[in-house]
Amino acid sequence: EVQLVESGGGLVQPGGSLRLSCSASGFTFSSYAMHWVRQAPGRGLEYVSAISSNGGNTYYADSVKGRFTISRDNSKNTLYLQMSSLGAEDTAVYYCVKDSSSWYYSDYWGQGTLVTVSS
Amino acid sequence: EIVMTQSPATLSVSPGERAALSCRASQSVSSHLAWYQQKPGQAPRLLIYGASTRATGVPARFSGSGSGTAFTLTISSLQSEDFAVYYCQHYHNWPPYTFGQGTKLEVK
Repeated sequence: EVQLVESGGGLVQPGGSLRLSCSASGFTFSSYAMHWVRQAPGRGLEYVSAISSNGGNTYYADSVKGRFTISRDNSKNTLYLQMSSLGAEDTAVYYCVKDSSSWYYSDYWGQGTLVTVSS
Repeated sequence: EIVMTQSPATLSVSPGERAALSCRASQSVSSHLAWYQQKPGQAPRLLIYGASTRATGVPARFSGSGSGTAFTLTISSLQSEDFAVYYCQHYHNWPPYTFGQGTKLEVK
């Protein structure tokens, strides 16, 4: 059974940093691209970032480019999102999402971790 | 970046009736279109990929159609558990794989 478990969310002050983790199990993690998608309270889904199966290619939404860094450790079956210079607009539930292949549709989602940026 | 536009924002339908949700892309995405269902407090769930292929375990009352820039998700006979928010997402070429803003399907 595919499982994606996010962690690392919490309350952070404006301008601060946070690192999210996503622990994956139930599939061969190193064979799939992975994504981060976020959802602000009461709002729709926003695509944040993606990384290829070997970590060699990464993509970012314009809204987070230069502030967020996606990475993965295939030996630990873990996906990361390093977030810095956080602002109130980054407050959201962050979902870890598995690609069904490499740059194809997303088939499994984690339950999400809430990041709240507030003083 | 490809812009996805869903309509209507809210759709009010009675149980047992048919619902049709629309999704349009700002440029062709071929058949690289997925639909997701999200219920309150839950993560999105994949319903349809390849514009028309149902994901594993998705009831046959859900169907998808379209290609290029215009897509439709149809629910043939609404059950109580189908009232939720539905999102379309393209996965054409490379990321960002943008989402539509969502359609809330509510009980009439």
